[in-house]
Amino acid sequence: GAGVSQSPSNKVTEKGKDVELRCDPISGHTALYWYRQSLGQGLEFLIYFQGNSAPDKSGLPSDRFSAERTGGSVSTLTIQRTQQEDSAVYLCASSSEIEKLFFGSGTQLSVL
Amino acid sequence: GQNIDQPTEMTATEGAIVQINCTYQTSGFNGLFWYQQHAGEAPTFLSYNVLDGLEEKGRFSSFLSRSKGYSYLLLKELQMKDSASYLCAAMDSNYQLIWGAGTKLIIKP
Repeated sequence: GAGVSQSPSNKVTEKGKDVELRCDPISGHTALYWYRQSLGQGLEFLIYFQGNSAPDKSGLPSDRFSAERTGGSVSTLTIQRTQQEDSAVYLCASSSEIEKLFFGSGTQLSVL
Repeated sequence: GQNIDQPTEMTATEGAIVQINCTYQTSGFNGLFWYQQHAGEAPTFLSYNVLDGLEEKGRFSSFLSRSKGYSYLLLKELQMKDSASYLCAAMDSNYQLIWGAGTKLIIKP
């Protein structure tokens, strides 16, 4: 597609369940970012991929969070044993140049 | 530590001009970004400044002063569709973006 695609757009889950969020970046973009945005808050950096490697995982809030990227394209963010505080919008962005990020529409995660 | 400050909310009138300020403190600096985010939508890129001065792009202009750690976004001839949150972000020496919490701009007729 022409833009960054994220799925699902909405996910409601029960506390303790695992969830997997998917990001399909713009074709050819080598850099891929995951951010989390809580209501009324700024973007919280989670992880950054350059190709398939993640040089910066410093933003992952706990060991329940993990992410991978295969083939330099699609990325998945996995949250294990979800907690209510994990509820937020998870945004993915990709870029081919430093100056501009292209964001997906996000996944709204609600943990009940 | 690294920090971005911008006002939480601003109100302006349709047709007027508004200036949204942003101050930043980062470990190194590789540029200042402004993004627009409509409610429930993804942020979209507005501007990037890495040198001091004013960059004009249609109704929107962005200014940077690196010595003061300060930037502003200037919106002219405000339209109702400009109602959105405006996110300021500074890129540090590791080329990572540090984001502000955003300024919610409310446009009144």
